[in-house]
Amino acid sequence: NAGVTQTPKFQVLKTGQSMTLQCAQDMNHNSMYWYRQDPGMGLRLIYYSASEGTTDKGEVPNGYNVSRLNKREFSLRLESAAPSQTSVYFCASRVPDGNEKLFFGSGTQLSVL
Amino acid sequence: ELKVEQNPLFLSMQEGKNYTIYCNYSTTSDRLYWYRQDPGKSLESLFVLLSNGAVKQEGRLMASLDTKARLSTLHITAAVHDLSATYFCAVSNTGNQFYFGTGTSLTVIP
Repeated sequence: NAGVTQTPKFQVLKTGQSMTLQCAQDMNHNSMYWYRQDPGMGLRLIYYSASEGTTDKGEVPNGYNVSRLNKREFSLRLESAAPSQTSVYFCASRVPDGNEKLFFGSGTQLSVL
Repeated sequence: ELKVEQNPLFLSMQEGKNYTIYCNYSTTSDRLYWYRQDPGKSLESLFVLLSNGAVKQEGRLMASLDTKARLSTLHITAAVHDLSATYFCAVSNTGNQFYFGTGTSLTVIP
């Protein structure tokens, strides 16, 4: 069981470059999330998708776009990367078992120079 | 917007000692979660607390929830080195969003 798979694990970009972070889950979960983690700030929600075909902004959506391609996949795109987007990005899906906890991927460490 | 505050942010404790991490949140919520993160790793679910007065225990960790005070605690009993990690609490509202605290970095010293 792979769970939540994120690619790539590491990425270095130059300011202004674009890239897409990929996330896929094989647990048949409806809801998926993108968070960024910065030192001293915990995890902040960028975007989430409650179900296939829907996406909503979180706390810090500026500079990002998302696509819920199908039930399994939820991608995060940086159109024009900025140094302020240097962070660790986590994808998560929500376990619909009554507890509704999040199940996280292994993270993508992104540096924007 | 729901705010979640944890304290302390950093905690250094000796093996064998007890300590408590506190998690306060700003508005009514029906679910409280605790996660653990090892350095360079992802987050792993520890506890889910679903109602006022809920208490969950696993090994040397015990979590409790007081929804009236909007407070959850994570109590560590007789700490061991393996408990060194960063601990996050998170709260969800009735929608789909989860709000995380800033984390408590715990170091257990031999």
